[in-house]
Amino acid sequence: KNEVEQSPQNLTAQEGEFITINCSYSVGISALHWLQQHPGGGIVSLFMLSSGKKKHGRLIATINIQEKHSSLHITASHPRDSAVYICAVRSLGADGLTFGKGTHLIIQP
Amino acid sequence: DAGVIQSPRHEVTEMGQEVTLRCKPISGHNSLFWYRQTMMRGLELLIYFNNNVPIDDSGMPEDRFSAKMPNASFSTLKIQPSEPRDSAVYFCASNPTGPKNIQYFGAGTRLSVL
Repeated sequence: KNEVEQSPQNLTAQEGEFITINCSYSVGISALHWLQQHPGGGIVSLFMLSSGKKKHGRLIATINIQEKHSSLHITASHPRDSAVYICAVRSLGADGLTFGKGTHLIIQP
Repeated sequence: DAGVIQSPRHEVTEMGQEVTLRCKPISGHNSLFWYRQTMMRGLELLIYFNNNVPIDDSGMPEDRFSAKMPNASFSTLKIQPSEPRDSAVYFCASNPTGPKNIQYFGAGTRLSVL
């Protein structure tokens, strides 16, 4: 079974700061997802990666398949970025996702 | 498209009662997933279906839990009898078949078993 570890668990930063959230996993995957969960509880998929790097607005996601590691970066952070960010992986040969415990991000004005 | 639709949004019941959660996936999506989220364990896969057929139910906690997908547009997750430790948020998600597809999540059902 894939073990997914995220760090940090909690992060509080000031508006404008550059944010990095890390995710590592233990066995081979076909894809890695970054999800965002707002206080209301809804889950939105931000990125799906199988290699390299993706960018969407102020969000950047990278993955290193050899090192089994991914990072999510937020540039020019804003209070509306406050949410729980969850890393999830689809292991090789599987369809369901295995999730990290999430990173609770608070951006203060 | 309205997205993945779950009902009810909230359910409060007493221990021992039967609970049925419902999910309507996005039209055209072949895969459907049921997940459970708790404070202690985070998000966990319970079961998933491909083309209405259950593929992996190893995440279903015990025989009290059962899931069905009678057709491509509807799935249920049933708990009978319910227990307080079943209290959680239950999410349904769907995607087109294949590992390279994003999963779309429903809004979830918050279940409280008293």
